[in-house]
Amino acid sequence: DGGITQSPKYLFRKEGQNVTLSCEQNLNHDAMYWYRQDPGQGLRLIYYSQIVNDFQKGDIAEGYSVSREKKESFPLTVTSAQKNPTAFYLCASSIAWHRSLLMNTEAFFGQGTRLTVV
Amino acid sequence: GEDVEQSLFLSVREGDSSVINCTYTDSSSTYLYWYKQEPGAGLQLLTYIFSNMDMKQDQRLTVLLNKKDKHLSLRIADTQTGDSAIYFCAVSFYNQGGKLIFGQGTELSVKP
Repeated sequence: DGGITQSPKYLFRKEGQNVTLSCEQNLNHDAMYWYRQDPGQGLRLIYYSQIVNDFQKGDIAEGYSVSREKKESFPLTVTSAQKNPTAFYLCASSIAWHRSLLMNTEAFFGQGTRLTVV
Repeated sequence: GEDVEQSLFLSVREGDSSVINCTYTDSSSTYLYWYKQEPGAGLQLLTYIFSNMDMKQDQRLTVLLNKKDKHLSLRIADTQTGDSAIYFCAVSFYNQGGKLIFGQGTELSVKP
């Protein structure tokens, strides 16, 4: 079955460490996204990518880094520069917006990774 | 930028109808979506509407779009305890190249 998979489901990080969250999709989508969710704040966009080897900063990119070496994969690294990394992280994918501005760009979401700093 | 806003909480009794509202500021909306998030899980698409429609019905769900007032609503008929979740509206805007903009989410609590 096609879908989007995030791993791990729970992740613990010590202060000062970098950690990488995995996101893989087999939906043949060009576009992939990372969101951060905190209680009462909805979804905030961290980074997005519309094509392999290209990505753009979202609204809260500071302290995060991404790569897009393969169409299927969009890993997110939470660096030690991120001051408040404890949150629920969601990855999503969709068809790319630039293909047609009038196409349905519905996003498909993974099940999330809960990151806790200990 | 383009704002999408929702009220944060809604409480209803089991069997009643729930109406979750969403407003947005940019008139270049193309597709408008409703997602459901259960605790500790990702978002699942419930339904969507294209901006040239004003209503869409799918079983217990009715979506109403007032494009003039930039107002979207989701009505859930005969609400059940299993409908308790956070509901997000999301809008794609032509002026933003189709990128989805999400509201803050409405936490629906259904009391027996």
